[in-house]
Amino acid sequence: EPEVTQTPSHQVTQMGQEVILRCVPISNHLYFYWYRQILGQKVEFLVSFYNNEISEKSEIFDDQFSVERPDGSNFTLKIRSTKLEDSAMYFCASAGQGEKLFFGSGTQLSVL
Amino acid sequence: SQQGEEDPQALSIQEGENATMNCSYKTSINNLQWYRQNSGRGLVHLILIRSNEREKHSGRLRVTLDTSKKSSSLLITASRAADTASYFCATKGGGSNYKLTFGKGTLLTVNP
Repeated sequence: EPEVTQTPSHQVTQMGQEVILRCVPISNHLYFYWYRQILGQKVEFLVSFYNNEISEKSEIFDDQFSVERPDGSNFTLKIRSTKLEDSAMYFCASAGQGEKLFFGSGTQLSVL
Repeated sequence: SQQGEEDPQALSIQEGENATMNCSYKTSINNLQWYRQNSGRGLVHLILIRSNEREKHSGRLRVTLDTSKKSSSLLITASRAADTASYFCATKGGGSNYKLTFGKGTLLTVNP
């Protein structure tokens, strides 16, 4: 069964450093998302991406965050200058014509 | 505004028993979905119910939706130890809203 893959599974970085989280969505999907989950808390929406542009973003997704789909397969989330509070599990998801989301296994980001 | 608030926050039952989880939301929706998350993993779609539907079944899962009360319930019948996971409801708004808004989840523990 096709799946969404995310790399790396764990990322440790120093405060102020830039990180790029990578995702390969399911190949024929059209809608792409990033969510994050702080340990034991709710799953928070960050951004949705459709037709090569951001379709919606949350208050969390400030100018330190950016997304890109540099080629036909990858979907990346960049955090320019990480803060301690950016530590969380980041999930990529994609959707086809249907409305259910397919999630990757996540990247655990730890900012020290 | 908060969407998709589940209760209880945690539920512990014995194998073979039924588990019922509830979800409340605040604004109008296009559909409501339930997802499952095993510890440290991504979310997996379980079932989707549209705003014009009242009940839906899938295997051992039964979902109800009451739009007048802005609430939904997920029933898992004849639970198994493998059902141990966190369960989240997620709502999709109307219009061109691409995102799903997740609640905090219910942690279900099924004891063998």
